[in-house]
Amino acid sequence: AQSVTQLGSHVSVSEGALVLLRCNYSSSVPPYLFWYVQYPNQGLQLLLKYTTGATLVKGINGFEAEFKKSETSFHLTKPSAHMSDAAEYFCAVSDNSGGSNYKLTFGKGTLLTVNP
Amino acid sequence: SQTIHQWPATLVQPVGSPLSLECTVEGTSNPNLYWYRQAAGRGLQLLFYSVGIGQISSEVPQNLSASRPQDRQFILSSKKLLLSDSGFYLCAWSATSRKLFFGSGTQLSVL
Repeated sequence: AQSVTQLGSHVSVSEGALVLLRCNYSSSVPPYLFWYVQYPNQGLQLLLKYTTGATLVKGINGFEAEFKKSETSFHLTKPSAHMSDAAEYFCAVSDNSGGSNYKLTFGKGTLLTVNP
Repeated sequence: SQTIHQWPATLVQPVGSPLSLECTVEGTSNPNLYWYRQAAGRGLQLLFYSVGIGQISSEVPQNLSASRPQDRQFILSSKKLLLSDSGFYLCAWSATSRKLFFGSGTQLSVL
């Protein structure tokens, strides 16, 4: 069984400051890992994903995440926060055990607020 | 390009009334389809998924059901809504990339 823990349901940063959203996962097989962003009253958009290969993954809007197997982590970072980054962020894990059904297990989300 | 349509955007229903939420996907064939529910403070919970017409898997026991009458149509239903059914419902599809594409969601309030 897979699970995702997002540390901190709410993170507040100043505009221009570093954004760090934490995600730890549990998986019995090598995982696929994802970060999604959700703006108010909208669906989720994919920011980035890790499948195999390079452990540092770059996504849209200047975000990146690093897969650290030893720490079972996939933290999301952005060097300089922008007001438009204010949204809820979800980390998700999917197993890569094969088959055609790609079920994702999501964390509970982290609400990011950006202060001017 | 592929698009996903989900409606209605908002819905207010009395307890005990029926429910039907519809989701359609365009621009792809034989997608995997999913219904998620997002309750406040609880993240996203997978309710149902489907890998083909008429093939529905339920992830959690509940008051809801799902159907897939056509390849690109996925319907979430209930015969009698409960207060606990309130939430934000998201339809999603995936192909081979393991990437989920989400609809814009339906905010359901059961009163």
